[in-house]
Amino acid sequence: QKEVEQNSGPLSVPEGAIASLNCTYSDRGSQSFFWYRQYSGKSPELIMSIYSNGDKEDGRFTAQLNKASQYVSLLIRDSQPSDSATYLCAVDGGDYKLSFGAGTTVTVRA
Amino acid sequence: EAGVAQSPRYKIIEKRQSVAFWCNPISGHATLYWYQQILGQGPKLLIQFQNNGVVDDSQLPKDRFSAERLKGVDSTLKIQPAKLEDSAVYLCASRQGPEQYFGPGTRLTVT
Repeated sequence: QKEVEQNSGPLSVPEGAIASLNCTYSDRGSQSFFWYRQYSGKSPELIMSIYSNGDKEDGRFTAQLNKASQYVSLLIRDSQPSDSATYLCAVDGGDYKLSFGAGTTVTVRA
Repeated sequence: EAGVAQSPRYKIIEKRQSVAFWCNPISGHATLYWYQQILGQGPKLLIQFQNNGVVDDSQLPKDRFSAERLKGVDSTLKIQPAKLEDSAVYLCASRQGPEQYFGPGTRLTVT
C-alpha cells in the first residue's frame, strides 16, 4: 500500500489556539486528499477534501496542499474541546482507493 | 439521506470460530469498500466492489476472509477461521464521486 505519514502526536493545544496537523505521502501521482476526524470508539468522519494546490477553507478548518512537496496539512483555528479526536490523513492515488496515515490525536485543553 | 449501515456493532468470538459482518451502503452508491482498522492504526483496505464485481481484493487474506456483494447493494464480509490478530474494527464505506463515507463499524474481539 502507498505510504502516508502523519506527525505522531499526541498534539495538545489550549482552547482557542491553532492546531496544525501534517501529512506526507509517497505516491507522486496522488490526486485527491482527505482529512477524516475520528472520535474515540467511533468511525471516521470526512471533514475536508482537497484536490488542487493551495488552501481550502471550511469554517474553522483549512486544508493546505503542496503536490510538489507531497505534503498536505490541516489547520484547526479557534480549537474547541469538541475538536479533541484523532485526525486521519487519506490519499487517493487516482484509483479511488484510499491509503491512510496512522492518525494524529489532538487534545484541546479547556 | 441515510448513512452506511453495518451490523452487528460488536462481536466477541473464540479463535477458530467463524463470523460474518453485513453492510448496506448509502443508496445509489455503486462502490463499496471494506476496511480493517487495528487499534492505533489507520484503516487498511481489504476489498473494493464496483456494483457486484470485485475491483481490488489484493489485501484480503483469502485463506480466511471472503466477501460478496451479490446484488450490487449490500455486502457481507466473512472470516473463517478467526485468529487472535483479526481483532479489529471492520469498517464499510461507500463512495460518491471521490469521497468515501464510513459506516459505524463492527468491533470484533477474538479470544
